[in-house]
Amino acid sequence: GQQVMQIPQYQHVQEGEDFTTYCNSSTTLSNIQWYKQRPGGHPVFLIQLVKSGEVKKQKRLTFQFGEAKKNSSLHITATQTTDVGTYFCAGGWEYGNKLVFGAGTILRVKS
Amino acid sequence: KAGVTQTPRYLIKTRGQQVTLSCSPISGHRSVSWYQQTPGQGLQFLFEYFSETQRNKGNFPGRFSGRQFSNSRSEMNVSTLELGDSALYLCASSPTDRVQRSPLHFGNGTRLTVT
Repeated sequence: GQQVMQIPQYQHVQEGEDFTTYCNSSTTLSNIQWYKQRPGGHPVFLIQLVKSGEVKKQKRLTFQFGEAKKNSSLHITATQTTDVGTYFCAGGWEYGNKLVFGAGTILRVKS
Repeated sequence: KAGVTQTPRYLIKTRGQQVTLSCSPISGHRSVSWYQQTPGQGLQFLFEYFSETQRNKGNFPGRFSGRQFSNSRSEMNVSTLELGDSALYLCASSPTDRVQRSPLHFGNGTRLTVT
């Protein structure tokens, strides 16, 4: 079945350092979504990427979708304590209307 | 617009019992998905309903079932509870039938503890 692998599982950074999480699929995706879950909260939608090679930015967050539409990354520049939480990617497949979540990357930021 | 509402927020049950969780989607949203979240396991997909029809089902035993009503509200049921069923159960709604293409709106979840 369709799977999305996400790494790393954990990342502990000093405030001000950069952070990146990666998602990979063995098959071509139709789109990829990113969510953030704060500790004790629920996942909140951040962004969706649809086009091959697409890059989108939200303030300090940069999202990329690979040329082959099999991988994606989320990069945070100069992390802040408000960035703590778990970041999930979710790969979409048109066939079967499937949306599959990665295992998530837990980000901790030391101030 | 009110968000996705899940009830109850917390639940404590004993092994062997059954439980029913409820989810009211955002008004106008006809797709409802359910996820199980446990530490280290991420978001495990349970099932997805659209217009009262189950369209997709995850790899969970038959003890896990669900349904959707004509007003789009959804319930999931877990029978013969096991300790491993302790988890946060999240419901998410979507405005379209192409769930993979539209953002999911999650509720706050129901925290189920099985003792």
